[in-house]
Amino acid sequence: DTAVSQTPKYLVTQMGNDKSIKCEQNLGHDTMYWYKQDSKKFLKIMFSYNNKELIINETVPNRFSPKSPDKAHLNLHINSLELGDSAVYFCASSQGRSSGNTIYFGEGSWLTVV
Amino acid sequence: SQQGEEDPQALSIQEGENATMNCSYKTSINNLQWYRQNSGRGLVHLILIRSNEREKHSGRLRVTLDTSKKSSSLLITASRAADTASYFCATDGGTDSWGKFQFGAGTQVVVTP
Repeated sequence: DTAVSQTPKYLVTQMGNDKSIKCEQNLGHDTMYWYKQDSKKFLKIMFSYNNKELIINETVPNRFSPKSPDKAHLNLHINSLELGDSAVYFCASSQGRSSGNTIYFGEGSWLTVV
Repeated sequence: SQQGEEDPQALSIQEGENATMNCSYKTSINNLQWYRQNSGRGLVHLILIRSNEREKHSGRLRVTLDTSKKSSSLLITASRAADTASYFCATDGGTDSWGKFQFGAGTQVVVTP
């Protein structure tokens, strides 16, 4: 059984469109994250939610809006997509906010904006 | 700026050899973790080392931490083709950054049979 699952895995869309990536974890964790991995493989945190509450919001354009309907789900909605949004987006989860806890990653969503 | 930076960027070795990669970071940390990413996949946790620890082992993995130099190393002994992957260190940036991991760009390791 997949622990952290995200859909879609691949997404090709045109500039200006709005798209969403969904994420679900079945680990019972209370903290979920969105990370962005660019073409040079740098992985940067975008958002973190703990029990549906936003606790980390990095300097991400407000075109990106996370939504956590419950602690098992964290979706990412992106408005007015730009070429620079092309990247791999990883959803992840952990139990608690401590940096001593393991982060479990999904398989990634490859977003290409054309 | 990236908190953790891995070195070298790429490493090519033959099966059976050891692979060593380093991670340097800028601010104090509570914990440092190493992750592996196979091509086209998500990251998988390998090992955690706390700031008061100097060395940890897990199977063929050995991690060291030198907080005075703000650096960590990951050693994979007796490498196998299946170890081919990118390896990332993740640091927490200190007490103000609980849950806010910073990753580098990784070290890409290729193990040839």
